[in-house]
This record gives sequence, C-alpha cells and structure tokens, in this order.
Amino acid sequence: GQQLNQSPQSMFIQEGEDVSMNCTSSSIFNTWLWYKQEPGEGPVLLIALYKAGELTSNGRLTAQFGITRKDSFLNISASIPSDVGIYFCAGQRRGAGNNRKLIWGLGTSLGVNP
Amino acid sequence: DTAVSQTPKYLVTQMGNDKSIKCEQNLGHDTMYWYKQDSKKFLKIMFSYNNKELIINETVPNRFSPKSPDKAHLNLHINSLELGDSAVYFCASSQDPGNTIYFGEGSWLTVV
Repeated sequence: GQQLNQSPQSMFIQEGEDVSMNCTSSSIFNTWLWYKQEPGEGPVLLIALYKAGELTSNGRLTAQFGITRKDSFLNISASIPSDVGIYFCAGQRRGAGNNRKLIWGLGTSLGVNP
Repeated sequence: DTAVSQTPKYLVTQMGNDKSIKCEQNLGHDTMYWYKQDSKKFLKIMFSYNNKELIINETVPNRFSPKSPDKAHLNLHINSLELGDSAVYFCASSQDPGNTIYFGEGSWLTVV
C-alpha cells in the first residue's frame, strides 16, 4: 500500500535537545496529521494541519504544513524523557471512500537519554 | 470513561483457531476502523465502516471478517489463524471519514 516517506527512521538524543522530523509525499494532501505512539498504547493525535503553510504549536511541539502540500515537519523543543515513543505522520486527501483514508508514514522512533 | 475500548488486550492462541476482538466507542462517532500494526510498526488500515456500512476494505484475507452491529461497535473475527496474523490490532473511530481518528489501546495477538 501507499506510504509516506518519513525521516529519520529513528533517533536517540540527550534530554534538552531539540528534535526535528519530516514527512514527504509525491502527491498533495489536504490534511497533515502527527501522532505519537507510546509503548503499549495506541497512537494519539498531537497536531492537525489543514492549510498549506499553516504552522501550529502544541506546547513544545510545532508542526508545519508545507507550501507545496507535499510535506510536513514536526519539531520538539527541549526534549524530555517522556517524549520517548514513535511519531507518525499521516496525510489525507478530500474525496469519498478510499480516497479519504489516511496514508501513513513508517514512523520515527525517538529515544531520549536523561 | 475510555473513548475507544477494545478487548482483549492480549490474546495468545494456536494456529487454526478462530478468535474475535471486540471494539466499542463512546464518542458518538459515525466511522470506525480496524488497523493492523506489524513488527516493523507500520500502521495498515484493514477496514472502515461509516454508519454500519463498509466503506474501506483493503486487501485483507477472507479469513478476516468485520461486523458492525451498530455505530458504536465494530468487531473483528478471524478464522483459521496463521502465524503471520500475529500483530497488534487497533480499533479506531472518527466523527466522519474525513475527521481526526482516535485509536484504542490495541489488542496484541500472538499466534503460536
């Protein structure tokens, strides 16, 4: 099935560092979403982006919807140990049925060293 | 007051058995989903129902059969389980097919 290119695949950082990850696609999306999955849990929505160029923050997290509508990035500032988890991007197009299903990235696994 | 709840959380069963995973959402959403997450953590949609009607049916073996008795419930029945069915299965829901998806905590299925 179709997937988004998400990078990096994994990263391990020191507490207090800033983190950046991104997602790219060969086709455009109308919505970009960022989810976080902690060990043993389901993914939880962090940020939703609905407009090209949109920059949205949620605490220490900031995400942007790329101008071309083919990419998005997520930044985490001043990381803390509880930021550990897998971060997934997902894109969605307008349309009906299968056209509206989310297309997922493969995830970025984040480790934080206290 | 869990929003999307699924049972069981853990399931270990033998090859060839038939098993079901149940899902309920109390968010009043119209759309429900089943996702499979493999060992590489890739999230793959299996099915989606909107108002009890099947709207997404990915290439999934016939051994997998979803059932939606009402908008708040979407159960997954798996026949003749195979080793490759071992994965985490997530139920999810959204207000409608274009809206934010909320996931359950997952059901860890291990086929031995």
